[in-house]
Amino acid sequence: SHVLTQPPSVSVAPGQTASLTCGGSIVGSKSVHWYQQKPGQAPVLVVFDDSDRPSGIPERFSGSNSGKTATLTISRVEAGDEADYYCQVWDTDDDQWLFGGGTKLTV
Amino acid sequence: EVQLVESGGDSVQTGGSLRLSCVASGFSFSGNWMHWVRQVPGKGMVWVSRVNSDGRSTNYADSVKGRFTISRDNAKSTLYLQMNSLRAEDTAVYYCARETPGTGFSEYWGQGTLVTVSS
Repeated sequence: SHVLTQPPSVSVAPGQTASLTCGGSIVGSKSVHWYQQKPGQAPVLVVFDDSDRPSGIPERFSGSNSGKTATLTISRVEAGDEADYYCQVWDTDDDQWLFGGGTKLTV
Repeated sequence: EVQLVESGGDSVQTGGSLRLSCVASGFSFSGNWMHWVRQVPGKGMVWVSRVNSDGRSTNYADSVKGRFTISRDNAKSTLYLQMNSLRAEDTAVYYCARETPGTGFSEYWGQGTLVTVSS
């Protein structure tokens, strides 16, 4: 079965740019979606289909997918962006969702 | 406003059973696929199961196959997860999530319900 690999933690200073990666052999051939989760809260979709943003998500959040790595980029990072971020794909071969292990973003 | 409200979480002994519910409102429940995703507190999210719009197609993670059953009642706008033969490793917060059919992601999640399995 496929695995999505995320770095456990990323630290960034306020106002800087954070790049969170999601790697795996399945990544390049599937759409990657990203969720933000703050402690005690449900996940919030921040990027879908590699690079699209749901309504209400700031333009500071952007995504890309190339080769075997997808990247969530958060520009002009704010204290309120501190959270866990999970990448997710739909493995259509096994018809199930796969999640990465999550990255804790510290601001 | 789209709302998903889970209930049914409880503390149960190993080998026991539990049924979770997720009541949906604010959208056409019967037109959407629904998922259960679980998360051990402090750990990552893990997909559990999916049911299609009419309930006829389901799929499960290997870890719960044969023990859990996902179902839905479109007349009641409610999603269910029947969990049998519970194990300690099933302890987690269980979230229901809505998927617009075929998109592969969820824009709407419930707040979760905690299931604790112990001996």
